[in-house]
Amino acid sequence: AQKVTQAQTEISVVEKEDVTLDCVYETRDTTYYLFWYKQPPSGELVFLIRRNSFDEQNEISGRYSWNFQKSTSSFNFTITASQVVDSAVYFCALSGYNNNNDMRFGAGTRLTVKP
Amino acid sequence: DGGITQSPKYLFRKEGQNVTLSCEQNLNHDAMYWYRQDPGQGLRLIYYSQIVNDFQKGDIAEGYSVSREKKESFPLTVTSAQKNPTAFYLCASSTTGEGYEKLFFGSGTQLSVL
Repeated sequence: AQKVTQAQTEISVVEKEDVTLDCVYETRDTTYYLFWYKQPPSGELVFLIRRNSFDEQNEISGRYSWNFQKSTSSFNFTITASQVVDSAVYFCALSGYNNNNDMRFGAGTRLTVKP
Repeated sequence: DGGITQSPKYLFRKEGQNVTLSCEQNLNHDAMYWYRQDPGQGLRLIYYSQIVNDFQKGDIAEGYSVSREKKESFPLTVTSAQKNPTAFYLCASSTTGEGYEKLFFGSGTQLSVL
C-alpha cells in the first residue's frame, strides 16, 4: 500500500525566514511519481513539481527547492526567504507509474508566513 | 482561459436530500476525478473517469454517485446514504490516466449539512 506522511501539521514563520516542509512516503513500487501541490485560501490545488523515482537530482525553481532522497523515502520542500504570499496548505502526493487513480496525498502542512 | 469550474462554491444539504455538485472542464482532458477533503486530512478519491460513459469507484465511493455523459462534465451526487457529507469537494482532471500526469483542480465546493 502507498502512504504519504506529512508530520508537520502547521508551521508559522516570519517573512524572509527559510522553511522546510517534510514529506515521507511508503511504496512497494520501483517506479513511482512524487508531487507537491499548493492550496491557497481560494481552495484549488496548484501543481508545483513532479519527480519520478529514477531522478534523484534536487531541483530549484526560484525560491523553491526540493530534496528527493530515495534512501530515506523523503521528498522535502524548502522555501527560501519566505513571503506572505507563500501562506497556504501544501500537499505532498505519491502516484504509481500506471495511473493517477491510486494517487495518495499526505494530510498537508499549513504554512503561515507573518509579515 | 482553460480550466475547471466547480459550482456552487457553497452548498447546504437537508436531512435525506440528494445534492449534486457540478464540475466542468474545458481543458480537453480525458480523465476526471472527485476528491473529498476533510480538515487535517489529505484528499481521498471518491470516483474517477478515464473516458466518457465509464467511471470507477475510488476509496470512499459509498453514498456518492457520478455520471460522465460528456467529456467536459463530471457531476457528483451526494446521496442521502452518505451520513457524513460535510466536507470540501474537489474536482480534478488530467490529460491521461497515467501516473506521471499532473492533476488540474477546480476551486472546490464546501458542502454542509443543515
